[in-house]
Amino acid sequence: QKEVEQDPGPLSVPEGAIVSLNCTYSNSAFQYFMWYRQYSRKGPELLMYTYSSGNKEDGRFTAQVDKSSKYISLFIRDSQPSDSATYLCAMSAGSQGGSEKLVFGKGTKLTVNP
Amino acid sequence: NAGVMQNPRHLVRRRGQEARLRCSPMKGHSHVYWYRQLPEEGLKFMVYLQKENIIDESGMPKERFSAEFPKEGPSILRIQQVVRGDSAAYFCASSLVGTGNTIYFGEGSWLTVV
Repeated sequence: QKEVEQDPGPLSVPEGAIVSLNCTYSNSAFQYFMWYRQYSRKGPELLMYTYSSGNKEDGRFTAQVDKSSKYISLFIRDSQPSDSATYLCAMSAGSQGGSEKLVFGKGTKLTVNP
Repeated sequence: NAGVMQNPRHLVRRRGQEARLRCSPMKGHSHVYWYRQLPEEGLKFMVYLQKENIIDESGMPKERFSAEFPKEGPSILRIQQVVRGDSAAYFCASSLVGTGNTIYFGEGSWLTVV
């Protein structure tokens, strides 16, 4: 079983739709959870950062972490064509968990159609 | 992303040559990470460094690859005797204090081995 699983898509939605992106993981030591957006031939751009369980909202983006189910989500409201990109989930156990390295999902390619 | 500076952005090397990739972290950041992204693959952790120290190199191939982060100057990822399979995007990231804080990525260095 991979440490982090992410459906690669591709996912295609009409403009204005609500997008739901998800990752599951197997390592119970993970406690830092991030979502990155990556445009083609660019570096990953940090969208959301969450520590432990719970929800976090930033504008049109909401991140949810359910540690009991080892499941994280990113919701995008009122999606725009400019949201078209690959979305990467990433997580880490941190220094207290024994490892600082980020473990990434493979990424979900999202296209928002005008 | 603009805060983490990587160069060169694109590098072409013949098989057997050496590749040197440079990374200047965001101002004030003393933690540097290197990740590799192969075509159609997710980001894979290579090495985590602090100034003058390699903290975790569990993702580094055993041969030909080395990394350093000297007291002065950028972090360097060095690949000796490159092979075609080394062709990939190499991303550097930095943080203030490990993954207990947010991690920011550079725009990447695209290595092509011909």
